[in-house]
Order: sequence, then C-alpha cells, then structure tokens
Amino acid sequence: DAGVIQSPRHEVTEMGQEVTLRCKPISGHNSLFWYRQTMMRGLELLIYFNNNVPIDDSGMPEDRFSAKMPNASFSTLKIQPSEPRDSAVYFCASSLGSPVGAFFGQGTRLTVV
Amino acid sequence: AQSVTQLDSQVPVFEEAPVELRCNYSSSVSVYLFWYVQYPNQGLQLLLKYLSGSTLVKGINGFEAEFNKSQTSFHLRKPSVHISDTAEYFCAVTQRGGFGNEKLTFGTGTRLTIIP
Repeated sequence: DAGVIQSPRHEVTEMGQEVTLRCKPISGHNSLFWYRQTMMRGLELLIYFNNNVPIDDSGMPEDRFSAKMPNASFSTLKIQPSEPRDSAVYFCASSLGSPVGAFFGQGTRLTVV
Repeated sequence: AQSVTQLDSQVPVFEEAPVELRCNYSSSVSVYLFWYVQYPNQGLQLLLKYLSGSTLVKGINGFEAEFNKSQTSFHLRKPSVHISDTAEYFCAVTQRGGFGNEKLTFGTGTRLTIIP
C-alpha cells in the first residue's frame, strides 16, 4: 500500500484566497484525522471522521475551516478565506481503530502571505 | 480528557550512548499509549505502542518503552543511538474502547540530536 497520500506537499497562497488540501487514506481504514502542526501549538487535532461521518470537529478553529469526506477514499480540508496565522503543516492520518494507531501522510506545508 | 507531558523539549546525546525520552500522561480512564517519530520534513511514523500485557514493549529501530501505571509514565529508551535517530519524538495517548475515542492526544515532542 502507498500509505496516506496528501496533496499538495507545499502550498503558498495569498491572504484571502481559498485553499483546499486533499487526502487519500489507506484503503480499508475507516477512520480519518486532520491534524495541524505549528511551533507554537504543536500537533492539534482539527477533525476526525469515522466511516465518512464527522465524529469530532471541536478542534476546527473557526468557520473559515471546513472538512468533508464524500467517500471512504477521499477527504478535503478547506480554508476560506485564508489568513497568515493559518500557516502550518497539515497532516492527514488514517486508522483501522484505536488499538492500531494512526498512519500519517507526509503533510502539506501551507504558507499564507 | 487526556493530556501528555514530555518533560524534555531537546535531548542531545553522543552517538552510541543510551537515551531515555520521558513521557507522562494524565487520564481519568484507561488509555492506550504510543510513541511516534518524525524525521525532518516527514510525517509521523509509529515507533511502538502499549495496549495491554507486558509493560515493556519493543518497537522498530531498536527502541523500547516501559509502561508504569503507578507513575503514569511511558518512557522511551534505546541502549545505543545512531546518527540516523536524530528526529522529533512524540508521545501520544488515546482512550481505550468506546465509540469516537480513537483520536490521539500528543505531547509537545522531544527533539533528539545525536552528536557524532
């Protein structure tokens, strides 16, 4: 298996623009997570899906952030409008269940100028 | 809710020396414990996990960790480090069982630097 695939790997955008990050989880995994990593706040869980249904979105910073999982093999995280403070590395991870642990993608480094 | 404390933000160690990275957790319920490693510009990779049974768990790359329930600790150790072990190491916890409890709560990470 190719692992969790995220695209793009790097994104530079101007403040106010819409940004869409994409994730393909490992085939057969039923849980998907979006994390954000910054120097100041470390790794934060943004949202967690189970069987394509959002279970916990309490980490989503504000209404500018939205996430979807239209099917078991694809998820998106959208930021509209983007702001400089959204600059971070965004990770997608998938899992077969709690005891197994999550498998992470390579991340998308987002820079908002 | 759970929380994880990694007591050392940076640990420099000479090559071939032993290392211990400390992790303490707090939780009102039973948990599963994990250690992840992040190499520069990479995602996180699972090193090892404690689910139940023997309190000493072995992982990849020669790492091991010991679960201590009374001290709520899960310290990571390696008897002899190599240059390639230079990376950031994250301790994480997740609640046992129940629906919707799969999310990992991470510590702030420990940057391990191996000195030649």
